[in-house]
Amino acid sequence: GQSLEQPSEVTAVEGAIVQINCTYQTSGFYGLSWYQQHDGGAPTFLSYNALDGLEETGRFSSFLSRSDSYGYLLLQELQMKDSASYFCAVRANQGGKLIFGQGTELSVKP
Amino acid sequence: ETGVTQTPRHLVMGMTNKKSLKCEQHLGHNAMYWYKQSAKKPLELMFVYNFKEQTENNSVPSRFSPECPNSSHLFLHLHTLQPEDSALYLCASSQDEGSDYGYTFGSGTRLTVV
Repeated sequence: GQSLEQPSEVTAVEGAIVQINCTYQTSGFYGLSWYQQHDGGAPTFLSYNALDGLEETGRFSSFLSRSDSYGYLLLQELQMKDSASYFCAVRANQGGKLIFGQGTELSVKP
Repeated sequence: ETGVTQTPRHLVMGMTNKKSLKCEQHLGHNAMYWYKQSAKKPLELMFVYNFKEQTENNSVPSRFSPECPNSSHLFLHLHTLQPEDSALYLCASSQDEGSDYGYTFGSGTRLTVV
């Protein structure tokens, strides 16, 4: 089967740094994506990694290690508005659908 | 507003009812998707359409019937649903089925089957 594992919940304080990990087991790999979903809202695309290394976009960074089947989303200078669910997703074959993890609920406390 | 519009936002239906969910995008995307999101579970892909042609049916029960009349519109027709079908139904689109530029999701239809 194909599966993605990520923690179900993470709690952090404003201004802190948090890392959300994702490990995957899929028949193939064509890239790891991250999505953010606020309660009651649409999932929104955050980042995409096809090659090993770190991609930085403002306060958010995403990392991929294909040899370890592992990636993470790093959120810096946390703000209250970052409280949301974060999903990792893998494209298992070229032209294929995205397979999503179960999501990590991030709570940012004052 | 994300560019993908879903209606209605909320729907309560009985097990003998027939209803339809609508999804509309004017982003110029060629691929559209239906996902089911239940609490504490991964998003489950239901159907994929690419250039109006269905390219994937992920073993979805026949009480869910998709329709894609053109690249901008996607429907999900519902009939004789079960209470366990209660969930958030999300529509998404992407440039093409294999796009690396991410999916654009709608805000979903919260469906309750009573």
